[in-house]
Amino acid sequence: GAVVSQHPSRVICKSGTSVKIECRSLDFQATTMFWYRQFPKKSLMLMATSNEGSKATYEQGVEKDKFLINHASLTLSTLTVTSAHPEDSSFYICSAMTSGRGSYNEQFFGPGTRLTVL
Amino acid sequence: LAKTTQPISMDSYEGQEVNITCSHNNIATNDYITWYQQFPSQGPRFIIQGYKTKVTNEVASLFIPADRKSSTLSLPRVSLSDTAVYYCLVGETLYGGSQGNLIFGKGTKLSVKP
Repeated sequence: GAVVSQHPSRVICKSGTSVKIECRSLDFQATTMFWYRQFPKKSLMLMATSNEGSKATYEQGVEKDKFLINHASLTLSTLTVTSAHPEDSSFYICSAMTSGRGSYNEQFFGPGTRLTVL
Repeated sequence: LAKTTQPISMDSYEGQEVNITCSHNNIATNDYITWYQQFPSQGPRFIIQGYKTKVTNEVASLFIPADRKSSTLSLPRVSLSDTAVYYCLVGETLYGGSQGNLIFGKGTKLSVKP
């Protein structure tokens, strides 16, 4: 149990296009989902926190108009990278959390999405 | 959120016990300690979590001294497949009203050699 999936696993796009990444909790309802970005050989950096049915909370330095987050249901959150540029190329990871699952605030992470912008 | 400090890297051999220590001097009363494992191009995987003293599960043990300013992840008899980056995080309990944000430090890159 406690499986989180991401789609697509990898995507290559042209500069200027938009890319949508889906994050799904497969066997539990996620009241809160998180989006992280990880550059090569670096640690995960929290981008934003989203709660179902409300606007996402973005970390300092993360452009909310560029990284659109929608948490429309308790099992799905999407991250859309708008007008992508090569510097947006990174590994994007989502995680999901629910108050009724796991101890304290255990987060269940997705497998990640590798975005390459040409 | 409390900041954590870990060694950048560690080397070990198969079959040895590995102990990775994490410092979190500013840990708050409501904070708990969690360790995650990450393989290249994969999402982090939960290993163990604790608040104080000792916690043990099927894959690791977590030792937390009384002052909680540090913690040690113990991996018994490591194998080549344990080569990964290990992250120590501290965070507030969800039930304390926090959003549950986790801030990842730089982690410890463990290399297990044959």
